Amino acid sequence: GAGVSQSPRYKVAKRGQDVALRCDPISGHVSLFWYQQALGQGPEFLTYFQNEAQLDKSGLPSDRFFAERPEGSVSTLKIQRTQQEDSAVYLCASSLVISGNEQFFGPGTRLTVL
Amino acid sequence: GIQVEQSPPDLILQEGANSTLRCNFSDSVNNLQWFHQNPWGQLINLFYIPSGTKQNGRLSATTVATERYSLLYISSSQTTDSGVYFCAVGGGGGATNKLIFGTGTLLAVQP
Repeated sequence: GAGVSQSPRYKVAKRGQDVALRCDPISGHVSLFWYQQALGQGPEFLTYFQNEAQLDKSGLPSDRFFAERPEGSVSTLKIQRTQQEDSAVYLCASSLVISGNEQFFGPGTRLTVL
Repeated sequence: GIQVEQSPPDLILQEGANSTLRCNFSDSVNNLQWFHQNPWGQLINLFYIPSGTKQNGRLSATTVATERYSLLYISSSQTTDSGVYFCAVGGGGGATNKLIFGTGTLLAVQP
């Protein structure tokens, strides 16, 4: 079946612009995660949804970052007033159940802020 | 929070050689995954292995949860095995089950 998909795959933004990144999880997966991967490092957790509820946003680096999953399926990560330090790959992952289950990752969106 | 350490940080192999990658973690976990990140950045699931031993072709993995480490074995390495290998753990008492990633092992397999 289809895996996790993300769009766009690449995004270039001028500093100060707002961006929106989309994630389509595997159909039926309850849990959805966003991670940020800086160059040369491992992914770092941003936020977690269980269905439409955002249960953990402890990893969001500032109040410029906002995520939603209004119908419990597709999720959008929005970054307002982008800064150069926001340049990274943003990865989305989903898993079937709530705890202790295997996570599957999308191909990521590479964001470059000029 | 949970700390995850991977070793070695870098590894260069000749095609056909075997290798062992190690992952140490600092607390009990209910999720442990090994990933291969290919040159295009895609994280490919290798194993979901919070405990025990699994094998898939030339790859195998063992997690000893009581001693808080996991090993990934690559046998008869091929150039397509090159890339970064990540260990990631989840759980440890948290409700989120977010994954905490190690810093990775960069593997280069030379022909």
